[in-house]
Amino acid sequence: GAVVSQHPSRVICKSGTSVKIECRSLDFQATTMFWYRQFPKQSLMLMATSNEGSKATYEQGVEKDKFLINHASLTLSTLTVTSAHPEDSSFYICSARFGRGLLNEQFFGPGTRLTVL
Amino acid sequence: GIQVEQSPPDLILQEGANSTLRCNFSDSVNNLQWFHQNPWGQLINLFYIPSGTKQNGRLSATTVATERYSLLYISSSQTTDSGVYFCAVGDNTDKLIFGTGTRLQVFP
Repeated sequence: GAVVSQHPSRVICKSGTSVKIECRSLDFQATTMFWYRQFPKQSLMLMATSNEGSKATYEQGVEKDKFLINHASLTLSTLTVTSAHPEDSSFYICSARFGRGLLNEQFFGPGTRLTVL
Repeated sequence: GIQVEQSPPDLILQEGANSTLRCNFSDSVNNLQWFHQNPWGQLINLFYIPSGTKQNGRLSATTVATERYSLLYISSSQTTDSGVYFCAVGDNTDKLIFGTGTRLQVFP
């Protein structure tokens, strides 16, 4: 299957700082990337959909000014958590898809565990 | 939006046992994927199966789209099968909606 990487895998920061998470598709060009959030023992919740060269589409209830998404190329999307607070502590996972229709399968990165003190 | 429910929520097995996990969804879909989330959080793609039947080693899956459910079969379970199994479905917006998950524990 396709390979998606995330960096960093784990980050601990102080309240009020900003954190950037990178998501890369390593062996294919991703037409679309997605960002999810997962709290302990819960399912994944979609935060936003990111298409290369255009603005991200955020799900209802997700603050676009707090979670900044940049999809600068077909292999890289970044999520910046601005002015992080303890309630932003979570597991953030990205996924990438290289097509539509029959090429609709999403491939997931290993996730980034964010802890805000 | 589409609702996705999985059953059972928890499953405890002894090594070697077989199991069936179920995923019910509330509307027609054009994408369905099964994942295994390992203890480190990595989601591993098991099947991309919007319809029909597929097999991969000890795992197989069947989706009956007209009846809005999918089944994941695990045969001869091993301790390494432990983790959380998610199904996720996509509608015409191409977004994936994740189910509630089944937490599987396999003991030696």
